[in-house]
Amino acid sequence: DTAVSQTPKYLVTQMGNDKSIKCEQNLGHDTMYWYKQDSKKFLKIMFSYNNKELIINETVPNRFSPKSPDKAHLNLHINSLELGDSAVYFCASSQNLGGQAFFGQGTRLTVV
Amino acid sequence: QQPVQSPQAVILREGEDAVINCSSSKALYSVHWYRQKHGEAPVFLMILLKGGEQKGHDKISASFNEKKQQSSLYLTASQLSYSGTYFCGTEGSGGGADGLTFGKGTHLIIQP
Repeated sequence: DTAVSQTPKYLVTQMGNDKSIKCEQNLGHDTMYWYKQDSKKFLKIMFSYNNKELIINETVPNRFSPKSPDKAHLNLHINSLELGDSAVYFCASSQNLGGQAFFGQGTRLTVV
Repeated sequence: QQPVQSPQAVILREGEDAVINCSSSKALYSVHWYRQKHGEAPVFLMILLKGGEQKGHDKISASFNEKKQQSSLYLTASQLSYSGTYFCGTEGSGGGADGLTFGKGTHLIIQP
């Protein structure tokens, strides 16, 4: 009964492939986020969804697209993967925008 | 605008105190503090809202000076379990709509 769960935990793929990372939260939160943490540990917000509406869309490449089938799920689709996409991607949720965030365990994406 | 954290790293003996600072060049609505251990997800510590409040639990406390756009995290009588990377995340004066912008982190090592 993990609060925020992501799958897969590790993902190794070749350049040019398309991949998805799934995220589910069972906390009943209204807001979900995707963060990217690079090799220097810099944690940067990519997207957030509040009640299924995209609230923040940072200047990430349009190869990245969030998809939220319902309030409890926020998946991340990445097209045409590049070497620079290698990072740890964290999903998180909060009761509302700006509230305490609960993070998933992260997905380590390695593009070769 | 990314907040600036200092110091970048600190090494302490168990039982010593530490202060981690976070400053921003823009007006802040709130400051969040998270701790991340190696290979794990960031874990929420506390939120400080505009109003210059101070919060704390156990031996970890924090202050927020909105006029100076600064926050400090205080760890007293540090324990081995305090080791990790501490991130401050700031929200602009627009409140939650701006999302969290994290600093580069402060790496804290507690030695026995």
